[in-house]
Amino acid sequence: QSALTQPPSVSGSPGQSVTISCTGTSSDIGRYNRVSWYQQPPGTAPKLMIYEVSNRPSGVPDRFSGSKSGNTASLTISGLQAEDEADYYCSSYTSSNTPVFGGGTKLTVL
Amino acid sequence: QLQLQESGPGLVKPSETLSLTCTVSGGSVSSRGYFWGWIRQPPGKGLEWIASIYYSGSTSYNPSLKSRVTLSADTSKNQFSVKLTSVTAADTAVYYCARHASGWYEFDYWGQGTLVTVSS
Repeated sequence: QSALTQPPSVSGSPGQSVTISCTGTSSDIGRYNRVSWYQQPPGTAPKLMIYEVSNRPSGVPDRFSGSKSGNTASLTISGLQAEDEADYYCSSYTSSNTPVFGGGTKLTVL
Repeated sequence: QLQLQESGPGLVKPSETLSLTCTVSGGSVSSRGYFWGWIRQPPGKGLEWIASIYYSGSTSYNPSLKSRVTLSADTSKNQFSVKLTSVTAADTAVYYCARHASGWYEFDYWGQGTLVTVSS
């Protein structure tokens, strides 16, 4: 199972919106509404930010939103804040009954 | 509040077996509907799922690692463990234990991670 494809880096200024894409195939993102997103600040463990494509766990700000179209999922962060600077990873359930992660995207807040 | 804590050697020699344990507090590994998994992250690289286990003993493995990985759970100690055999430098990584609900692999609680270095 190949890793999902994410851009290596994105950036934005405080207050702006940024979108991180995550491209898979018809065997993972395209087939299942089981896409999740994780935030990982440097030196810390990943934190679940989005599950089931667009649902936020309790405590995650509504500035974070997720969506999916075809084989591509997206994470949008609106009202960018300095504390949002981190690596972001997508993940999807696959037809092999296993998960696959994306390569990660480094978000820089300018 | 559910907490997970990884433990085990930080240094393993090439060709030997890496063994890690995850201790769960504030919850039970026997909780119905929850699975317990291992994910690793080589230095400066992305996340890779290793395997998951249900308290009943049911397991699932990453096909690329399946031949070298064994998972087990000890409900009496509220722990689950991973063994990875015949390690090489490529197995050097931060190893995380985590929980996911049902079989969908959406990991909602993570341990802090433990760095395992494979070196002679």
